[in-house]
Amino acid sequence: GESVGLHLPTLSVQEGDNSIINCAYSNSASDYFIWYKQESGKGPQFIIDIRSNMDKRQGQRVTVLLNKTVKHLSLQIAATQPGDSAVYFCAEINQAGTALIFGKGTTLSVSS
Amino acid sequence: DAGVIQSPRHEVTEMGQEVTLRCKPISGHDYLFWYRQTMMRGLELLIYFNNNVPIDDSGMPEDRFSAKMPNASFSTLKIQPSEPRDSAVYFCASSLETSETQYFGPGTRLLVL
Repeated sequence: GESVGLHLPTLSVQEGDNSIINCAYSNSASDYFIWYKQESGKGPQFIIDIRSNMDKRQGQRVTVLLNKTVKHLSLQIAATQPGDSAVYFCAEINQAGTALIFGKGTTLSVSS
Repeated sequence: DAGVIQSPRHEVTEMGQEVTLRCKPISGHDYLFWYRQTMMRGLELLIYFNNNVPIDDSGMPEDRFSAKMPNASFSTLKIQPSEPRDSAVYFCASSLETSETQYFGPGTRLLVL
């Protein structure tokens, strides 16, 4: 079936540390994945995306890794800052190739 | 561009009342999506439009929910009659293509008493 889930509901890190947020997906036919960040009281905000023909993509302080063999996606945040505190969602294109399916989210807490 | 615009930002109503949520997508985006977010169920897709035409409404929970897109710059999600279990944050999002990034609005926080 279609389901996108996160390995851990919460992650607490110290400012300056690197953060890794994991996500498992079930649809092996999915070819597009997105990470969103949602701050309290706001809508999800695009962070980075990756297509299935890639296994790694880097942005500013963020890296997404895709392992299609085990259907695993991860988001790495370098030098985590207090402003990175939010809920992070991974999302995949559904089986019909249309709308996104979102996971439940991981709450990242960054302490100074 | 101002991004996706939603109104109202907050809505408190009584059970049985009609609720209308509004959305203005990013100009030039052909796809518009309505989502509902709750603690229990996370983000759920309700319905999406392509060029103002509803494509998939399988996520609409009941006949009490309806959505329209009369033109490329405006969509509404209506709940009639509203019930307490409809309390949630409703997001609108738009994208150029379904396989492209969706950009979300700030959401409407609905509380049905």
